[in-house]
Amino acid sequence: GDSVTQMEGPVTLSEEAFLTINCTYTATGYPSLFWYVQYPGEGLQLLLKATKADDKGSNKGFEATYRKETTSFHLEKGSVQVSDSAVYFCALRPGSGNTGKLIFGQGTTLQVKP
Amino acid sequence: SAVISQKPSRDICQRGTSLTIQCQVDSQVTMMFWYRQQPGQSLTLIATANQGSEATYESGFVIDKFPISRPNLTFSTLTVSNMSPEDSSIYLCSVADAATDKLFFGSGTQLSVL
Repeated sequence: GDSVTQMEGPVTLSEEAFLTINCTYTATGYPSLFWYVQYPGEGLQLLLKATKADDKGSNKGFEATYRKETTSFHLEKGSVQVSDSAVYFCALRPGSGNTGKLIFGQGTTLQVKP
Repeated sequence: SAVISQKPSRDICQRGTSLTIQCQVDSQVTMMFWYRQQPGQSLTLIATANQGSEATYESGFVIDKFPISRPNLTFSTLTVSNMSPEDSSIYLCSVADAATDKLFFGSGTQLSVL
């Protein structure tokens, strides 16, 4: 079945460091891909998305490109801030799935130190 | 955006008992979704709740264990029945905004079963 694999955390970086969180997926058809973020004490919220191959999603300085040839959707940010400390979830929606059915990765905890 | 309120936020229950989790949305939505996040694992969709019809359950989840009600377009309940320690998880309610392709999540109910 469809699945999402994320790099294990926690990831600890110094402020202004470059961030990459790897995400690969297995899916049939043409899934949509998402990154969700959960800040401490808050609910999950959408960070960015891409709905077809070669699309780049971006938001708040974060980017991810839908790579069908490598079945990947890695999250990157050029210069992280302490406020980026959170848990990041990669997710896919199957091509034939309803809007609310997402398959999530296990989450990666990011801690940014000043 | 949608604002989702879940109650209770946390509970500690004895095995063999049942707990009903409530989810209230500040706008009318067609579908509501219930997810589970077991300790150290990713989120998994339990079921989709449509107003006026029976919920649709994902593989591995059954109505007898997780009965769902959807009495109107802004409210749903999930009951965790005959609980065992394996049911200890965070249970999340969510709704979808088809126009923006976003899922909005409640803050979750942290359930511990002794």
